Amino acid sequence: EDQVTQSPEALRLQEGESSSLNCSYTVSGLRGLFWYRQDPGKGPEFLFTLYSAGEEKEKERLKATLTKKESFLHITAPKPEDSATYLCAVQAAGNQFYFGTGTSLTVIP
Amino acid sequence: DVKVTQSSRYLVKRTGEKVFLECVQDMDHENMFWYRQDPGLGLRLIYFSYDVKMKEKGDIPEGYSVSREKKERFSLILESASTNQTSMYLCASSFGRYEAFFGQGTRLTVV
Repeated sequence: EDQVTQSPEALRLQEGESSSLNCSYTVSGLRGLFWYRQDPGKGPEFLFTLYSAGEEKEKERLKATLTKKESFLHITAPKPEDSATYLCAVQAAGNQFYFGTGTSLTVIP
Repeated sequence: DVKVTQSSRYLVKRTGEKVFLECVQDMDHENMFWYRQDPGLGLRLIYFSYDVKMKEKGDIPEGYSVSREKKERFSLILESASTNQTSMYLCASSFGRYEAFFGQGTRLTVV
């Protein structure tokens, strides 16, 4: 059964305190792994796509990496505006996206 | 920019009513999806469609149906709304192996 597990469920950081969010997955025929940001009451906003192990993508203070079993979203020197829920999703052979339950990040000034 | 538009941000319906949630995308995407999102449960797939008039059940299709008569439009139908269908509903579209784009969500309350 295809599964996506994110950890931790919640994370509180001081402004400037770097950390990482984890997304582990079991899926047959991985077509891609996706990271999204979701603000309260809004739809998820796309951040990154990773297609193969060893791939990395960066955007401002965020960096996503991928291995054969998991992905990390590294947040460097976060700011309060980075506070949001971060969602991980995988796409399997049938074009469906399977989502984890997310990590709720709070960055304290 | 890809745009996925859901017809309502907030809806309040009565138990037993038939409810229609509409979603339109403007990028000619082949795939469209309906999810519901509940605290602690994440996004759960209700139905998806990979072409006009084609549909596939997701993980939680019970109590829902869908319609895709045109490529850009995907409708979710609650045949007889119940209180346990109170949730945030999210529509998304995608093409091939590329990312899915989401609408702003519809918060449905069934009373």
